[in-house]
Amino acid sequence: KAGVTQTPRYLIKTRGQQVTLSCSPISGHRSVSWYQQTPGQGLQFLFEYFSETQRNKGNFPGRFSGRQFSNSRSEMNVSTLELGDSALYLCASSSGTSGGRTDTQYFGPGTRLTVL
Amino acid sequence: SQQGEEDPQALSIQEGENATMNCSYKTSINNLQWYRQNSGRGLVHLILIRSNEREKHSGRLRVTLDTSKKSSSLLITASRAADTASYFCATYSGGSYIPTFGRGTSLIVHP
Repeated sequence: KAGVTQTPRYLIKTRGQQVTLSCSPISGHRSVSWYQQTPGQGLQFLFEYFSETQRNKGNFPGRFSGRQFSNSRSEMNVSTLELGDSALYLCASSSGTSGGRTDTQYFGPGTRLTVL
Repeated sequence: SQQGEEDPQALSIQEGENATMNCSYKTSINNLQWYRQNSGRGLVHLILIRSNEREKHSGRLRVTLDTSKKSSSLLITASRAADTASYFCATYSGGSYIPTFGRGTSLIVHP
């Protein structure tokens, strides 16, 4: 079974631009979660999508948004980029059937975003 | 602030030795999960332990949970160079469906 894939793997943007990251979950998984990882704040939960609906949301500003398509692929968008948005963005997929707390999450390799 | 805090922040051992890392948390939890992350890559799920469990094993991994002390430990026995990675604990507290990760323990196993 193919694992979780994320594209692109590396991205360089400038302040004020917007960016879209993509995540393809494991076949059959209906839940996709997004995380931001930085040296200063560690790993933080952004949001989770299940069956095209945002099911859980972390404490991030509205500049961070996402969506999920009918094939469970998900995209994350960050508008008006700030220097502090430089991070490794990870997505994880799971079956989603237990509501998220006990599902095993399978992580992708991440997208390294650098904002200049 | 982080719900889970790993201790120590860094650990350096020789191959064959055991590695123990700890995770402390603040509020009551539903379950606690341990993950491994190789440098700059995605996380790999290791073990999930529920709040009503005290110990779980998986291969060379042993996880304990002490809810009275709000702490968990991950023991890796007979460590290998390939175990070199960062290890994170993640908790789901109360009725929350949002995981909170600790800062991680960076483990280096010297061959």
